[in-house]
Amino acid sequence: GAGVSQSPSNKVTEKGKDVELRCDPISGHTALYWYRQSLGQGLEFLIYFQGNSAPDKSGLPSDRFSAERTGGSVSTLTIQRTQQEDSAVYLCAIGRSGGGSTDTQYFGPGTRLTVL
Amino acid sequence: GQNIDQPTEMTATEGAIVQINCTYQTSGFNGLFWYQQHAGEAPTFLSYNVLDGLEEKGRFSSFLSRSKGYSYLLLKELQMKDSASYLCAAPFGSGYNKLIFGAGTRLAVHP
Repeated sequence: GAGVSQSPSNKVTEKGKDVELRCDPISGHTALYWYRQSLGQGLEFLIYFQGNSAPDKSGLPSDRFSAERTGGSVSTLTIQRTQQEDSAVYLCAIGRSGGGSTDTQYFGPGTRLTVL
Repeated sequence: GQNIDQPTEMTATEGAIVQINCTYQTSGFNGLFWYQQHAGEAPTFLSYNVLDGLEEKGRFSSFLSRSKGYSYLLLKELQMKDSASYLCAAPFGSGYNKLIFGAGTRLAVHP
């Protein structure tokens, strides 16, 4: 597989609650990405971690969204005060060099979030 | 800005050949990716083109024309299991580390 696990696989929550989504890559991959895929739409970049550098948060849609990566491995995406429009599949990816300057990204199975 | 366009849906017959097109507009260019995504599953990597021309990988081939901002994915000897969405994606931003995706082309293969 891609070497990335995500938990939970499904999460149903009530509007206004906070949720935490977890991404657990196999060790040795310094690049980690979060995307979300809303129904019928393409994947949307959220945030990117590379080693010890400051994360690229340019894709986070609002200040209710935050993410951290501890010890260069596990990452957690937190959504505060969830809204119904946050319902989507949240995908984590790791980057592996294909020899060029752009990593090939390999995706985990995703977390399907439903906000009621 | 960045934009990627691909057809929403396509249908084809088992055993046939299908070509899925993708056009892109990006500020800067550092290659083009194709991913396959079966319903309810994660995208899986198919190909990455950075130079013009056709790259063949078994039943799947990918073509790139940088001057035209155009790529296609060619699937030969279609099988029922090829029914999936096919996503075109391009790196963007400083360092070209992030991907912008098209909405995907949903391919239905019929007997």
